Amino acid sequence: AQRVTQPEKLLSVFKGAPVELKCNYSYSGSPELFWYVQYSRQRLQLLLRHISRESIKGFTADLNKGETSFHLKKPFAQEEDSAMYYCALVTGNQFYFGTGTSLTVIP
Amino acid sequence: EPEVTQTPSHQVTQMGQEVILRCVPISNHLYFYWYRQILGQKVEFLVSFYNNEISEKSEIFDDQFSVERPDGSNFTLKIRSTKLEDSAMYFCASSVGRVRPLHFGNGTRLTVT
Repeated sequence: AQRVTQPEKLLSVFKGAPVELKCNYSYSGSPELFWYVQYSRQRLQLLLRHISRESIKGFTADLNKGETSFHLKKPFAQEEDSAMYYCALVTGNQFYFGTGTSLTVIP
Repeated sequence: EPEVTQTPSHQVTQMGQEVILRCVPISNHLYFYWYRQILGQKVEFLVSFYNNEISEKSEIFDDQFSVERPDGSNFTLKIRSTKLEDSAMYFCASSVGRVRPLHFGNGTRLTVT
């Protein structure tokens, strides 16, 4: 069963524009959700976890249980934000990753 | 900041050969994982390991795969007889406990010819 959906494979925005990377999940229990980022030729790095409710590098993500979404947002995109972004759902001891969204910020 | 390290970064092997992918998790972490990512596809869970035994595995992790923590620092993934479809990026990850998050290594790109 597809547990995490990232509908956009590719997303391009201009520098300074707002950006939203979509993530929807399917899980009947209380979800534990993360956003991971992978910069070019680097490892997957934790960006955000929903229980922390923090802002990292200007990014925020709010869990919306009604819409089963955990979209990642940033009001003003920067060139250094260009990367691959993965939404992940944790159930038990397993992480389920979405297919990822490749974000390109155009200067 | 401590990191998960993986070697080699790229491994090329012939079909039918055995390969061992190596990982050194972060030293105080207790949970260890292998994930793989076939080119253009999503990151898929293979196996989790805790207290010197497999705690969970996916249907991908069949009898051709095995994991080991031979010496208290390394965590290895062995593929006994590689197939073309095993070509992928393999990521090792560790976490301090069931409290997340996962810390990933840089990955090993396995190419089976």
